Amino acid sequence: DAGVTQSPTHLIKTRGQQVTLRCSPKSGHDTVSWYQQALGQGPQFIFQYYEEEERQRGNFPDRFSGHQFPNYSSELNVNALLLGDSALYLCASVRKGTGATEAFFGQGTRLTVV
Amino acid sequence: GESVGLHLPTLSVQEGDNSIINCAYSNSASDYFIWYKQESGKGPQFIIDIRSNMDKRQGQRVTVLLNKTVKHLSLQIAATQPGDSAVYFCAENSGGYNKLIFGAGTRLAVHP
Repeated sequence: DAGVTQSPTHLIKTRGQQVTLRCSPKSGHDTVSWYQQALGQGPQFIFQYYEEEERQRGNFPDRFSGHQFPNYSSELNVNALLLGDSALYLCASVRKGTGATEAFFGQGTRLTVV
Repeated sequence: GESVGLHLPTLSVQEGDNSIINCAYSNSASDYFIWYKQESGKGPQFIIDIRSNMDKRQGQRVTVLLNKTVKHLSLQIAATQPGDSAVYFCAENSGGYNKLIFGAGTRLAVHP
């Protein structure tokens, strides 16, 4: 049973560019959350998708947007990249409605903005 | 506001000793807490969780204690092994469904 998978694993972009990161949730999971983890810090909640809609959002600007597809996979898009967007981007999935809230994380995508 | 913080940024222990990692939270309404382990280059890995209607929960070699009076939780690892070396995060389920608030983490270094 595959866990949460993310692609790509590493990415280098230039300031001002746009980037798309991808996530496939764990089998049986329908809710996907995205987190940003700066070096030496804990993950920060960006937003969450369920039923193809953004349900919750953290304190991130509109440059951060997302999408969820009918197969529950998700994308995170970041426009007008800044040097400060360099971080590990993590995707986590859960199955909503079961009462269980243990979130499974992927390995992350390491984004470097130069 | 909501926050989850950790008392110690680094903890060094000898192999075979017991480890205790502490965490303070500020939102008294929080009802669910999780400990994650993160190894270098990997995503956080679930260790153990606890709900606010409990004060103790045990897993394999790990125990989580919750003290709601002082808004404190701890992770105890018995017979610490080199493979336990990692950064440990406590996370608080912040109001919304599975919106986790993480602290900065504690690095556990296990020495032979």
